[in-house]
Amino acid sequence: AQSVTQLGSHVSVSEGALVLLRCNYSSSVPPYLFWYVQYPNQGLQLLLKYTSAATLVKGINGFEAEFKKSETSFHLTKPSAHMSDAAEYFCAVSDKTSYDKVIFGPGTSLSVIP
Amino acid sequence: EAGVAQSPRYKIIEKRQSVAFWCNPISGHATLYWYQQILGQGPKLLIQFQNNGVVDDSQLPKDRFSAERLKGVDSTLKIQPAKLEDSAVYLCASSLWRSDTYNEQFFGPGTRLTVL
Repeated sequence: AQSVTQLGSHVSVSEGALVLLRCNYSSSVPPYLFWYVQYPNQGLQLLLKYTSAATLVKGINGFEAEFKKSETSFHLTKPSAHMSDAAEYFCAVSDKTSYDKVIFGPGTSLSVIP
Repeated sequence: EAGVAQSPRYKIIEKRQSVAFWCNPISGHATLYWYQQILGQGPKLLIQFQNNGVVDDSQLPKDRFSAERLKGVDSTLKIQPAKLEDSAVYLCASSLWRSDTYNEQFFGPGTRLTVL
């Protein structure tokens, strides 16, 4: 069975500092991996996805993530945090056997301190 | 292009009452999903429709939850009777459908349900 863990339910960074949100997955087959962002009172928006092409994936708003099979990780990074990045971030997994069955992690709330 | 629409945005009811949520997907999207997002958790799939047929409802509590998608477009999710633990945000999402690739899901703003 697939699963996702996100280390740290809450992360605080200073404006301009590096953002690092951690995600580890479990999957018995090659996974598809995703990061979604959820702003207050809004639905989820896809930030980026890994679907077995390049292991370093670039997304919207300056975010990127690197797929590391040996570590079963897919951490999300952004070099310089902006106040507008404050939101809830969800890592998610699916795979080729069931593309649409997306399993979400518990989420990490990102706060950006001025 | 209009996004996924949901109504109402907020609903407060007492336990044992019934409630219904409505979702209008993006035009042309064959697949529609309902998720339950409990505070502090990630979304959990309740039911997936392909056009007007159910693809997966394995996590839908069928003794109290029901959903339909008439004519393969709009969908309603109903809870009857509601329990305290049903307090959550109910998210609707839609996607195109191709069998050989991942289909990006587009989410609506959700309906926040509070059961007192």
